[in-house]
Amino acid sequence: AQTVTQSQPEMSVQEAETVTLSCTYDTSENNYYLFWYKQPPSRQMILVIRQEAYKQQNATENRFSVNFQKAAKSFSLKISDSQLGDTAMYFCARTGANNLFFGTGTRLTVIP
Amino acid sequence: NAGVTQTPKFQVLKTGQSMTLQCAQDMNHNSMYWYRQDPGMGLRLIYYSASEGTTDKGEVPNGYNVSRLNKREFSLRLESAAPSQTSVYFCASSEALPRSGGPSYNEQFFGPGTRLTVL
Repeated sequence: AQTVTQSQPEMSVQEAETVTLSCTYDTSENNYYLFWYKQPPSRQMILVIRQEAYKQQNATENRFSVNFQKAAKSFSLKISDSQLGDTAMYFCARTGANNLFFGTGTRLTVIP
Repeated sequence: NAGVTQTPKFQVLKTGQSMTLQCAQDMNHNSMYWYRQDPGMGLRLIYYSASEGTTDKGEVPNGYNVSRLNKREFSLRLESAAPSQTSVYFCASSEALPRSGGPSYNEQFFGPGTRLTVL
């Protein structure tokens, strides 16, 4: 089965601290793309960051960075200097043949 | 640009009723998708349309039909709603189908979702 697993249903972090969300995946493909999406209470799905599997360098976007371990099929998201607006559901996703496969999500709460 | 729009935002149906969820995008994208999101699960693909005039089943197509009316619009129809179809439905679009292994990937842009309750 080609699945995406997020083993942390809920997490919390103090404002201004750093938090890491975990994601592992299964795939038989050599090249693919990985994503983290943010879903705030508004329900809008917002792309946070993406990683191309054939690139070894970890992607970064401002306060968001990933730790991509291709051999381990691991793709974690690090949020630095957490802000109240980061409170949301976070979904890890991987490209398939014709769609995206999503994990079950991690609910992140930033505590003032 | 409005991006991807969906109507309605909320809907309550009785078992056996039918309805159509509408989706439109103004980004001139070729590919469009319908997902459903259930509690404790990620988004799952119902149907997709690689280009105008084509549609294909996704992971959970049973109980649904789709129509790619034109390049802009992709509708999802429930012919006889069931409580198991209570969910949040998302439409998305992208420039082209996601391709693993290729040098380029086109981001999927999501609509705001439709919360459907079937009693």
